[in-house]
Amino acid sequence: SQTIHQWPATLVQPVGSPLSLECTVEGTSNPNLYWYRQAAGRGLQLLFYSVGIGQISSEVPQNLSASRPQDRQFILSSKKLLLSDSGFYLCAWTPGGGMFPSPLHFGNGTRLTVT
Amino acid sequence: AQSVTQLGSHVSVSEGALVLLRCNYSSSVPPYLFWYVQYPNQGLQLLLKYTTGATLVKGINGFEAEFKKSETSFHLTKPSAHMSDAAEYFCAVRTPGNQFYFGTGTSLTVIP
Repeated sequence: SQTIHQWPATLVQPVGSPLSLECTVEGTSNPNLYWYRQAAGRGLQLLFYSVGIGQISSEVPQNLSASRPQDRQFILSSKKLLLSDSGFYLCAWTPGGGMFPSPLHFGNGTRLTVT
Repeated sequence: AQSVTQLGSHVSVSEGALVLLRCNYSSSVPPYLFWYVQYPNQGLQLLLKYTTGATLVKGINGFEAEFKKSETSFHLTKPSAHMSDAAEYFCAVRTPGNQFYFGTGTSLTVIP
């Protein structure tokens, strides 16, 4: 069966520090991968999605970047965090190919607090 | 462009009462629609999905939703609320390009 791992679960970082959040998926190949941010009262904002290694699409201009160095690994990064980067970050995946409209499967999220 | 609107950011119901959470979407093509539930500090869990076929979709925990194309709606219902249903609920639409867009969520409170 497929599983998704996301870490760390919580993170407190000072303003201006770098960020690296990691997400891996097991039990499947060539998944579509997604990063979302959830801010209080604002639902889920799609940040990045990827349909393959090195293929990253950005939804909105951010102080963030994403990379997919391996087929089942998706990394969210920042060089210098801002206070506004605080939030709950969720990684998710769907089977690749798009032949059947599968739902998103989520990790457990990372609570990021920028101080 | 795709968008999802959830009317009512907070809904309160008595235990045993009907739960109705509203979702409307805008889509230029036939949509794929989903409802998710989120408990505090956790990821989202799929409740149910509509892709094609029957417009009344049954999900987990006694929830169901009906796709109404004429109303561009996909409202979530449950005949009898349970205390364990208290959570945040999100409606989502999937585009042909494999992006998923979510509504702003509805927080459900169940009153004993």
